[in-house]
Amino acid sequence: GEDVEQSLFLSVREGDSSVINCTYTDSSSTYLYWYKQEPGAGLQLLTYIFSNMDMKQDQRLTVLLNKKDKHLSLRIADTQTGDSAIYFCAGRGSSNTGKLIFGQGTTLQVKP
Amino acid sequence: GAGVSQSPSNKVTEKGKDVELRCDPISGHTALYWYRQRLGQGLEFLIYFQGNSAPDKSGLPSDRFSAERTGESVSTLTIQRTQQEDSAVYLCASSGTSGSQEQFFGPGTRLTVL
Repeated sequence: GEDVEQSLFLSVREGDSSVINCTYTDSSSTYLYWYKQEPGAGLQLLTYIFSNMDMKQDQRLTVLLNKKDKHLSLRIADTQTGDSAIYFCAGRGSSNTGKLIFGQGTTLQVKP
Repeated sequence: GAGVSQSPSNKVTEKGKDVELRCDPISGHTALYWYRQRLGQGLEFLIYFQGNSAPDKSGLPSDRFSAERTGESVSTLTIQRTQQEDSAVYLCASSGTSGSQEQFFGPGTRLTVL
């Protein structure tokens, strides 16, 4: 089955850029997603990218997709303390059910 | 409400008891998903409902777990004879018919089995 891997922790200073990386195994994933989870809160969809795209930009967020290497990244420009959270990447499984396969999450710590 | 709601928000139970968790999806969403999130880990898929089709139960960890959904409305996840390893946050999500099939998540039910 599909596997999604992420680094577990990232610490940056406020105002710097953050880059969170993700690798996946299922090349048939049609959509790849980034979710944000703040303490005690549910998951919030940040952005997604369709598999025929290489890049998607949405305000401070930039998603890069390297299909050859099965590598996905999320760049947050001008990181703020409010960006401190756990970030999950997820891929749509190769079945037709639409279930998502999640990475284990990257904890982003933003220091003032 | 406009979002996915779940109840209860917290449930503490004794080992061996049955529990029932409820999910109200966004109105009009045809697909409903249950996931489990153990402490410090990512989400594990449990089960998926799409309209009147047979549900995808491939993620249910044991036969103690079952779920039902009536039409395109409320779903209940039942765990029988709970074990301590069932302690987790159980998340429900729903999605509509947009191309991206974006899943909207509820706040979750935190289950603690003593």
